[in-house]
Amino acid sequence: GAVVSQHPSRVICKSGTSVKIECRSLDFQATTMFWYRQFPKKSLMLMATSNEGSKATYEQGVEKDKFLINHASLTLSTLTVTSAHPEDSSFYICSASRGGGNTGELFFGEGSRLTVL
Amino acid sequence: AQSVTQLDSHVSVSEGTPVLLRCNYSSSYSPSLFWYVQHPNKGLQLLLKYTSAATLVKGINGFEAEFKKSETSFHLTKPSAHMSDAAEYFCVVRYTGRRALTFGSGTRLQVQP
Repeated sequence: GAVVSQHPSRVICKSGTSVKIECRSLDFQATTMFWYRQFPKKSLMLMATSNEGSKATYEQGVEKDKFLINHASLTLSTLTVTSAHPEDSSFYICSASRGGGNTGELFFGEGSRLTVL
Repeated sequence: AQSVTQLDSHVSVSEGTPVLLRCNYSSSYSPSLFWYVQHPNKGLQLLLKYTSAATLVKGINGFEAEFKKSETSFHLTKPSAHMSDAAEYFCVVRYTGRRALTFGSGTRLQVQP
């Protein structure tokens, strides 16, 4: 089956530094990837939709300058948390859409746990 | 607004007894409905999905769900719980015209020995 890989699975960083999380579709091309954030014991909240070759679409309330998204190829999207603060600590999950339109099947990565000290 | 409601934040059952996790969604023309399971510190695994075919959907690990349009519900069931079923379960909807998914708040299933 299709696999989506996230790296790193865990990262600890100091406040004020930037952290990059990668999301790769391993056996299919994904024109669209999605980034979600999950707070402890909470549901997943969509942060942004990453479109290959164009700017990401951010959900209301998500700072685009804080959470930089780059989708440079059909198999890779990156999320960079800039000038991280402790409140950015969270579980970040990406998903990739195989197939176009609104019916493409979605596959999720394993998630990346960010801890900002 | 488009929303998904999971009526129980926490469900506890004994091993070998039935499981019922409830989900209601705001009405939309032909939504796609999913149930995902998440084990601690893990990603999401698809249990089953409804995409306008049969209203009773069978998934992995003995789970199934029934789409009831009149009730706008998509409850998840399993006849006999296993210890390994203990996890967080999310009811998820993809509304028409939107590629991203809308997640319910999740239900934590606890299975007692």
